[in-house]
Formats: sequence, structure tokens, C-alpha cells
Amino acid sequence: GQSLEQPSEVTAVEGAIVQINCTYQTSGFYGLSWYQQHDGGAPTFLSYNALDGLEETGRFSSFLSRSDSYGYLLLQELQMKDSASYFCALGSQGNLIFGKGTKLSVKP
Amino acid sequence: NAGVTQTPKFRVLKTGQSMTLLCAQDMNHEYMYWYRQDPGMGLRLIHYSVGEGTTAKGEVPDGYNVSRLKKQNFLLGLESAAPSQTSVYFCASSLGGSGANVLTFGAGSRLTVL
Repeated sequence: GQSLEQPSEVTAVEGAIVQINCTYQTSGFYGLSWYQQHDGGAPTFLSYNALDGLEETGRFSSFLSRSDSYGYLLLQELQMKDSASYFCALGSQGNLIFGKGTKLSVKP
Repeated sequence: NAGVTQTPKFRVLKTGQSMTLLCAQDMNHEYMYWYRQDPGMGLRLIHYSVGEGTTAKGEVPDGYNVSRLKKQNFLLGLESAAPSQTSVYFCASSLGGSGANVLTFGAGSRLTVL
């Protein structure tokens, strides 16, 4: 089976940088994805790592290390609107399995 | 561009009743998924489909059935609803293949079983 672990909550201040870690166990996968979900909303795609290394998309970056079974999402220049839940997800064999999510609270 | 549309958005059922949630996508995506989301549990995959006429079990398939008779539609059925099925249900779709990791989600359907 597959499993993903991520912190349940993270708090940071506006303008700061925050890193949300994700460790996983799997027998094989295509890539690690990250999704954002605001309260009451639907998840939306943020980033995808098929290969080891860093992927950058504006203020957001995502990293994958297959040898360490580890990835992270890095959010820079935090804004109040970044307050949301963030999910890492493993993709394999036609489906996507999600972690339980990290609730990020951005304080003024 | 509607994307992924789920109906109904809200529904209250009594234990033992049946119902069907409908998901429709207009992006010509091959893959479709049904997830449920409960507080503290994240998104759990119920069933998924990798193409018209195909379905497969996910992490929590018991108590649910699905059908994908047309490429654009993916139906989730509850034959005999139970209070444990009270949840928010999300449908999603993706291109498939290497694009399978990029899912587009519907707005969700909130189901309460009394």
C-alpha cells in the first residue's frame, strides 16, 4: 500500500517563508503532487514533481527526493490568502492517494 | 468552461435510503475519481476510472458503487446509506497517463445521513 505523512498544522507570519514536509511509503509511483484547499472549497493543483529536485512556480516551490522518500512544499512571501490546507499526493497506476493535509495559518 | 460539475450539492438521507451522485466533466479527460473528505482524514479515494466503461476500487470502496457509461460522466451510488457515509464527496478528473497527477476537482457534494 501507500501512505503519506505530513504535519497537521503549521503557523507562520505574513511575509515569512514556510516549508511543509511530506514523507511517504510506496512500492512505486510516478510523482508527488501538491494541492491547496481553502475552507469550504475544492482542492486545486499547485505543483508536481516527477523527478528529484526543485520545481518552482512563482512564490511556491516543491521538492522531491526519491532516495529519502521525502518531499516538501515551500511557500515564500506568505500572504494572508495562503491560509489553507495543503495536501501532498502520490500518483501511481491511474490513481492519486492523498495525505491527511497540513492546515497553514498565516498571522499578520 | 464548466470543468467538473457535481450534482446535487447538498443532500440529506435517512439510513437505508439510496441515492446517486452525478459527476460530469467537459474537458475530455480520460480519468475520473470519487473521493470523500472527512475532518482530519484528508481525501480518501473511493473508486476511480481510467476510461469509459472501466472502474476500479480505491482506498475505501465498501458501501459504494460506480459506473462510467459515458466518458464525460462518472456516477457514485449508495445502495443503502449509513450514518458513516456522512461526508463531503469530491469528484475529479485528469488527462491520464503522465497527466494523471493533475486533477481538476468539482465543488463537492455534502451528504448527511441521519
